[in-house]
Amino acid sequence: QTVVTQEPSFSVSPGGTVTLTCGLSSDSVSTSHHPSWYQQTPGQPPRTLIYNTITRSSGVPDRFSGSILGNKAALTITGAQADDESDYHCMLYVGGGIWVFGGGTKLTVL
Amino acid sequence: EVQLVQSGAEVKKPGESLKISCKGSGYSLNNYWVGWVRQMPGKGLEWMGIIYPGDSDTRYSPSFRGQVTISVDKSISTAYLQWSNLQASDTAIYYCARSQGRGSSWYVGWGQGTLVTVSS
Repeated sequence: QTVVTQEPSFSVSPGGTVTLTCGLSSDSVSTSHHPSWYQQTPGQPPRTLIYNTITRSSGVPDRFSGSILGNKAALTITGAQADDESDYHCMLYVGGGIWVFGGGTKLTVL
Repeated sequence: EVQLVQSGAEVKKPGESLKISCKGSGYSLNNYWVGWVRQMPGKGLEWMGIIYPGDSDTRYSPSFRGQVTISVDKSISTAYLQWSNLQASDTAIYYCARSQGRGSSWYVGWGQGTLVTVSS
């Protein structure tokens, strides 16, 4: 069973920069896993931020960026704002038409 | 405006069956993968499975294969998620989501979610 790993929680100061990561239990993440990132606030459906590693979804500010850092996918938020306080979920393609979500990262801005 | 509109909240008893829906509003689902995602109370997102309405190609997560059925009615641009024997552990919010296109099945649009409560 493929496991996608994310930091359970992270904190960042307003105006600061934070990088959240998304890894695989038994492999390195590459562009062939087509990482995507989703933001979710309580009581709301997810919102797509980044797909296919680096592409920002329509309307997403450019302070959100995606990349591969080492052996993981990464979501970087530059100039964090109070309303960035959310849960962030990554999703990876694992083959055979199957995708897997990570456990999510709860980001606190304080 | 492109939207996915899901059916309303359901309250069911263990052992009952259920079918929830997800309709494309403002566009046809036929050229996009449509997937289902589970979120149990206080937990993260779980990828359940996905269907391509154009040819009904369907893929399931190993965790959900045999537990649910994903289907589609192309004529009304609606996808479905179905259970035949609900359990209390199926209590969750279920989201549908659509892909960017045939060759790109990451999600770019989301439904509002359907809360399913299973309780005796």
